[in-house]
Amino acid sequence: EAEVAQSPRYKITEKSQAVAFWCDPISGHATLYWYRQILGQGPELLVQFQDESVVDDSQLPKDRFSAERLKGVDSTLKIQPAELGDSAMYLCASSLGRSSYNSPLHFGNGTRLTVT
Amino acid sequence: AQKVTQAQTEISVVEKEDVTLDCVYETRDTTYYLFWYKQPPSGELVFLIRRNSFDEQNEISGRYSWNFQKSTSSFNFTITASQVVDSAVYFCALSGGASGGYQKVTFGTGTKLQVIP
Repeated sequence: EAEVAQSPRYKITEKSQAVAFWCDPISGHATLYWYRQILGQGPELLVQFQDESVVDDSQLPKDRFSAERLKGVDSTLKIQPAELGDSAMYLCASSLGRSSYNSPLHFGNGTRLTVT
Repeated sequence: AQKVTQAQTEISVVEKEDVTLDCVYETRDTTYYLFWYKQPPSGELVFLIRRNSFDEQNEISGRYSWNFQKSTSSFNFTITASQVVDSAVYFCALSGGASGGYQKVTFGTGTKLQVIP
């Protein structure tokens, strides 16, 4: 079965540095999600794309985080500057759904970010 | 607004015991979907099951079964004869429609299941 690809798998960076994560969703999936998961907690939505448009970025700290999905396929999430509190797992997911709500999310392996 | 509550933070059972993971949800939507996901130690969340709000039939898949009760807004997950490989964090999720017409998914905080051999 096709998978959601994410890279890198692990990232260690110093605070105040810039860091970027990449995600390639399952082909044909219109919706792409970036979640942050702090250890011991559930995934928290950062940003959601439908095709190339952002449909929800209400929880994205826009002063330091940015996300793009220029051609409606793969996506990049950037943090600049990174802070110690950004240490977490960053999960990318995709789903078929546009106007339907029954599409399960397919997740990548995630990027484990450690900010020192 | 959508909300999913998984009150059990962590559960430990001995292998072969049955275990039920609780999920309670809140939504104003009349049409919605409920999901369970498994997150093993490797980290990737894996989709297990989906139910829609109009189908309250319980479902069984091997050792897994799900009990959806709309009257109590609950969607509980039972593992029969648990095995060590069932050790993972399990997330309940609710999917409905946002005002902009897109799919909105809300996750619970997860229940960590440890199956002791």
